Formats: sequence, structure tokens, C-alpha cells
Amino acid sequence: AQSVTQPDIHITVSEGASLELRCNYSYGATPYLFWYVQSPGQGLQLLLKYFSGDTLVQGIKGFEAEFKRSQSSFNLRKPSVHWSDAAEYFCAAVPEDTGRRALTFGSGTRLQVQP
Amino acid sequence: IAGITQAPTSQILAAGRRMTLRCTQDMRHNAMYWYRQDLGLGLRLIHYSNTAGTTGKGEVPDGYSVSRANTDDFPLTLASAVPSQTSVYFCASSAGVYNEQFFGPGTRLTVL
Repeated sequence: AQSVTQPDIHITVSEGASLELRCNYSYGATPYLFWYVQSPGQGLQLLLKYFSGDTLVQGIKGFEAEFKRSQSSFNLRKPSVHWSDAAEYFCAAVPEDTGRRALTFGSGTRLQVQP
Repeated sequence: IAGITQAPTSQILAAGRRMTLRCTQDMRHNAMYWYRQDLGLGLRLIHYSNTAGTTGKGEVPDGYSVSRANTDDFPLTLASAVPSQTSVYFCASSAGVYNEQFFGPGTRLTVL
């Protein structure tokens, strides 16, 4: 079945440290990939997206993600985390070959930032 | 300000009651979606609409219905609410096939 997996439920990093959030997908063909962030009590905001082309994608708030076809992964990274980055992060995908355009989400990774 | 609005913000509902969650967007997006968010499960698609006048079932459609009479509105109806429908509901919209989806602020629904 087509799915998106985020193996880490909860991650804690120190402010200023680097961050990598993992995302793996299981699709027959390469899907379109997204990372969203959700602050407590808020809706979801798009951080970045990958459709095709350069496999390193830059997003907002200093985030980037790298698409690796061989590993079916789309990991999110940030070189230096700020306290305001504490939130829940969702990886999502849209299969390329379906008329249903809705996102399939991973279960999310909650990021805690220590001072 | 352009965006998506949802109403109500939160609601406590007795089991067996009928409830409609409202969603309106003013971006003239073709596609709209309803998701539910449950702890540990991420967001799951309930129903979607690729364009006004059409709807489709998502991953968890049972107990829910939608309509899309016009471009802007996409109400979600629970015909007879059950406690398992306690969740946070998000409406979203997008301009085209794989464009960014914009999310509303959510409706927190508790069914007792």
C-alpha cells in the first residue's frame, strides 16, 4: 500500500544544534513530496515541496530537504535550530498517477528544543 | 485577508446528533479537502472535491458526507455523530493538481 513513514515520533535537540527529521515513502513511482509544520493549536504550514529536478530543496525558515530515490527518502534538515522551531512536522506525498490529489501524511514528528 | 475559514472553532456534541462543519475559501481554488487529525495517526483524508460539483471518498469516509455546490464552500456533515468521531478536523484547498494545499485553522469536535 502507498504510505508515508516518519520513524521518529519525538525528537529533542538543543538550540543551535543541527536537525534531521526522517521521512520514507512507499509508492510505485516517485510521488510529489511535501513537508508541513504545525505549531501547537494551529493549522499546517508548508515548509517546502519536491516535484522534480534538483534533489536538494530549499524551504522557508531555513529548512531544506533532500530527495533520495535510492532510499525512498525525503529527510528534512536545518543546520541550526531555534527555540521557535519547536512544533510538529509532517511529511506528506501525492502520488503522481492518481486522480485523487489529496495528501497522504506521515504520523508526524514532534520536535522539542532545549535551551 | 485571503485564506480558509472554518466554523465552529470547537464543539461538544451529544452522540446521535447531526453536525455540519463549515469551510469556506476565498482563493478560488478548484480542489478542497477534509482531513481529521488524531494523535499518533497524522492527518487522514475523509473526503475531497477536485472541482465544484464533484466529490470523492478519502481514506476514512464512513459516517461523513460532503457537498460542493460552489467553488468556495465545502461543508462536512456528520449525520449521526459517534464518540470515535472526536477529533480535530482540518479543511484545505489547492489551486490545481499538485499545488500547495492551504489549511484552515481547524475545528475541535468532541462527541460524548
